[in-house]
Amino acid sequence: DAGVTQSPTHLIKTRGQHVTLRCSPISGHKSVSWYQQVLGQGPQFIFQYYEKEERGRGNFPDRFSARQFPNYSSELNVNALLLGDSALYLCASSLADRSNEQFFGPGTRLTVL
Amino acid sequence: AQSVTQLDSQVPVFEEAPVELRCNYSSSVSVYLFWYVQYPNQGLQLLLKYLSGSTLVKGINGFEAEFNKSQTSFHLRKPSVHISDTAEYFCAVRQTGANNLFFGTGTRLTVIP
Repeated sequence: DAGVTQSPTHLIKTRGQHVTLRCSPISGHKSVSWYQQVLGQGPQFIFQYYEKEERGRGNFPDRFSARQFPNYSSELNVNALLLGDSALYLCASSLADRSNEQFFGPGTRLTVL
Repeated sequence: AQSVTQLDSQVPVFEEAPVELRCNYSSSVSVYLFWYVQYPNQGLQLLLKYLSGSTLVKGINGFEAEFNKSQTSFHLRKPSVHISDTAEYFCAVRQTGANNLFFGTGTRLTVIP
């Protein structure tokens, strides 16, 4: 069975641009969460979606937005990119809303120049 | 509010020696506790979790952890490490009733031949 997949694997953008990151959860999983991992730090929670509804939001500015599609895949959008947005963006899927096990994808490495 | 402290940012250890990676947490409500491992250029993999019951939890790859409520700790141990255990290890908590994981800053375990 395929695990969580994310695309693209790497991305280079310049300040002020917009980026869209994509995530496909494990088949049968209905919840997707997004985390930002800055180099040398632990992952920080950005969003969680369950059944296409936002169920949780971390302490990130409104430049960050996300959505979940009917097939449970998800997109993370970041507008007006800043240098500080450079990070590994991780997607995690789980079966249910408050599941005790989240399965992480390999991440998308975003570099903002 | 909650926080996770991983006291050691780097832990070098010789092959076949025992290792302990320390994790302390603070939270005003009950939490679930997790340890994740991240190999270079990969996402996070769950090693073990404590939800309730026995305070000694066994995970994959020979790792175990002990929940100590009075000391608010959840230290990770392995009696004999292998070269393949070289990776970044993250302790995480999730408040009961919440959706997201809150991670520590990580401990880089380096196993020396």
